[in-house]
Amino acid sequence: DIQMTQSPSSLSASVGDRVAFTCRAGQSISSSLNWYQQKAGEAPKVLISAASTLQSGVPSRFSGGGSGTHFTLTISSLQPEDFATYYCQQSYSTPWTFGQGTKVEI
Amino acid sequence: QVQFVQSGAEVKKPGASVKVSCKASGYSFSTYAIHWVRQAPGQRLEWMGLINAGNGYTKYSQRIQDRVTITRDTSASTAYMELSSLRSADTAIYYCARAAKQLVGDSYYYYMDVWGKGTTVTVSS
Repeated sequence: DIQMTQSPSSLSASVGDRVAFTCRAGQSISSSLNWYQQKAGEAPKVLISAASTLQSGVPSRFSGGGSGTHFTLTISSLQPEDFATYYCQQSYSTPWTFGQGTKVEI
Repeated sequence: QVQFVQSGAEVKKPGASVKVSCKASGYSFSTYAIHWVRQAPGQRLEWMGLINAGNGYTKYSQRIQDRVTITRDTSASTAYMELSSLRSADTAIYYCARAAKQLVGDSYYYYMDVWGKGTTVTVSS
């Protein structure tokens, strides 16, 4: 199985801050990396697919980058609705695997 | 709009089985695969398997492949996930999600684009 490791596990930030967090894959996964946002009590929602493709309806303050084994998710100006947990997920090979999540707190 | 309606919460005893349903609407059911993903309390998301809703092909996580069965009923636009020999570690929220793909250059990339709201399964004696 491909291990996915996110850092940090949590971070505290303020509205308007620029935040970035990383996801590392245990082997090269090309650009087969997706980012999901999960708010408390809700299902995950896809933000970015194929490492850098912003999904329809997702605000442009979200951006993704990277390839191979190192990936980043950046929020350019944190908004109140962005406080959530973010998961990376590889779709390079089954079983698809997720990182442990980064919780963004006020 | 595309949506999934999942069956209600379940409480099961260890050793029992559970079957969760996921009814799709808003798109042609047979043209997409459906994934099942679970999340135990405080844990990361775990991919369980998928079914091609068109031809019924399934792929399971090796961790649970001897206990999980994913099926579908195309006439009802519904996918099912059955998990047997339940143990306390199976206590989790179970989600279904639609498989999506995008073409970038000459390569396809896959992700889960629409998720059900989840079904809570509690295993307790």
